[in-house]
Order: sequence, then C-alpha cells, then structure tokens
Amino acid sequence: LAKTTQPISMDSYEGQEVNITCSHNNIATNDYITWYQQFPSQGPRFIIQGYKTKVTNEVASLFIPADRKSSTLSLPRVSLSDTAVYYCLVGDMRGSARQLTFGSGTQLTVLP
Amino acid sequence: NAGVTQTPKFQVLKTGQSMTLQCAQDMNHNSMYWYRQDPGMGLRLIYYSASEGTTDKGEVPNGYNVSRLNKREFSLRLESAAPSQTSVYFCASSARLTEAFFGQGTRLTVV
Repeated sequence: LAKTTQPISMDSYEGQEVNITCSHNNIATNDYITWYQQFPSQGPRFIIQGYKTKVTNEVASLFIPADRKSSTLSLPRVSLSDTAVYYCLVGDMRGSARQLTFGSGTQLTVLP
Repeated sequence: NAGVTQTPKFQVLKTGQSMTLQCAQDMNHNSMYWYRQDPGMGLRLIYYSASEGTTDKGEVPNGYNVSRLNKREFSLRLESAAPSQTSVYFCASSARLTEAFFGQGTRLTVV
C-alpha cells in the first residue's frame, strides 16, 4: 500500500483558492488517487479521483504530475461550508478491498 | 435513495455488555467496510467484506466480530464492550475500491 503524507491543517479565507498537496512516493503503476471530504459528525464523502494529469468536476480539480509521486486537490473560491477534513487515498482499484485505508487527513478551516 | 443506513445512531453501553451495529446498503455494492473514528483522528479499518460470504480483518479487529448476512447487510458485534471502544463507527460500501459511500455513523459510548 502506498503511504500518503498530507499537511495536518490549513487555514484559508472565503473566496480564495485552496490547494492541498498529498505526497505518495511509493505509488504503484495501477494505483488511483482519490480524495474524500468529511464534515463534523458525518461520514466521508467522495470528492474526486484521478490517475494522471488533471481531473475536474463541479466541486474540485485534481492535479497529478507526470511522476505521480504527489497530487494536489484544488478547491476554487472556498466558502465557510468547505471547512472540513480532506483525505487523500491511494489504491489499486483491482486489488484487495483492504486498500481503502484513510490517514489522518488535512483539517481545512475557512475563515470569514 | 437511502444509500448506506446504520442503526442505531447513538448507543450507551456498560462495560461488558454486548451489542450489534447494523449496516445496510441499497446500491448493490460488493464490498462493505466497518471503520472507527476516535476524536480528532482519522478512520481506522476494523473489518471489511470484499464480497458476500467473505470477511477479513483490517487494522484494528480485536474485540469485534462481523457478519456479512447477505449482499446488502454487514453487521459489527461487540461481544464484551470496553471503554476503549468508545468511538464513532462508520459503515461504508463500494462497487469500486476507492469510491466508497458512507453511512451517517453510530456514536457509541462505553461507560
């Protein structure tokens, strides 16, 4: 399993773009990168998933460099409601279900 | 759609009591998971079931048992609850490994 490293916490202000970077130096060829968001007292929610280059959806963008040893979740123009913990996961979608493991995540606090 | 439903939402147990946490999903997913989350911490995998009829240990299985009753249901049992098992328990299901859907959690307190 590829180990991931994220900042423990980040602060931002409303309206700013926020970039959260995750390091995964041991990522394997078949691994995908997935980000989840967790609000207090709720279960995590899938945000975005990618394999290489850039992926964008209505919520966020995911940037993955060519070597795939890191990835950056980009949240455009955050609001107070984006305050949450963000988790980066790396795993082979064809491998064991055990690979759905979460680290400590990044606590994002959006300030007014 | 209901998604993943967990019952109960809250529970208080005395040390040594037993209980079963129920989880059901209506998305026809093969894989189901049980996690615990302690205050200020990330999620830790207790048990998982890759498909109906199979279960495997995760990171922290001690003190727990699971049953994959059918494709929809995956239960977690505490045979003799301990204060160290005070936590929020999340059930999840997935069709693909890294896109999972979570329930709202069960907040368990063992006194």
